[in-house]
Amino acid sequence: DSGVTQTPKHLITATGQRVTLRCSPRSGDLSVYWYQQSLDQGLQFLIHYYNGEERAKGNILERFSAQQFPDLHSELNLSSLELGDSALYFCASSVVGMGNTEAFFGQGTRLTVV
Amino acid sequence: GQQVMQIPQYQHVQEGEDFTTYCNSSTTLSNIQWYKQRPGGHPVFLIQLVKSGEVKKQKRLTFQFGEAKKNSSLHITATQTTDVGTYFCAGPNNNDMRFGAGTRLTVKP
Repeated sequence: DSGVTQTPKHLITATGQRVTLRCSPRSGDLSVYWYQQSLDQGLQFLIHYYNGEERAKGNILERFSAQQFPDLHSELNLSSLELGDSALYFCASSVVGMGNTEAFFGQGTRLTVV
Repeated sequence: GQQVMQIPQYQHVQEGEDFTTYCNSSTTLSNIQWYKQRPGGHPVFLIQLVKSGEVKKQKRLTFQFGEAKKNSSLHITATQTTDVGTYFCAGPNNNDMRFGAGTRLTVKP
């Protein structure tokens, strides 16, 4: 158990819909990262938050948005869903930035858009 | 921006054979990390290398960081079926961490 909790584990939804993925980082971790992993693909960086502030953005679509709340949990919002958005979405947390210390990944949310 | 390339994409070995995956960055890295993702699982941190030319060992796993800090390798000696999974290298890119595409290792008993 990494200590990072992601909910839900599985999500099936229709095209055009909107979903929210939730991540609770390990206790004490200030950084939260979101990654997208399509079938048999690598980890594509989406966005990084540190202590409530956005620190970096990757190739995140405009239809996607995220935020980190005062209690440090984070949510990733995906709207106007397309079939191609089907993927495994991971959140990772670290004490500070991942570039300085190890990151702990959650179990992921598997999103299926039908 | 910084890119991290990893080869090979796939590697299939017989149990007991050695395995190596290579990682190359387009820019000098302050450090490099390695993660392992078991089938159906999530990435798990293995190690971080920081110094030029650094070599670290974890049992049958040997990690190296190049002298120029632009490349790295992971070598597994005498693979076991428990080694199956995808191995990722990752390098810092400003305020995020960029992952290589990963090397998927399968081991035939």
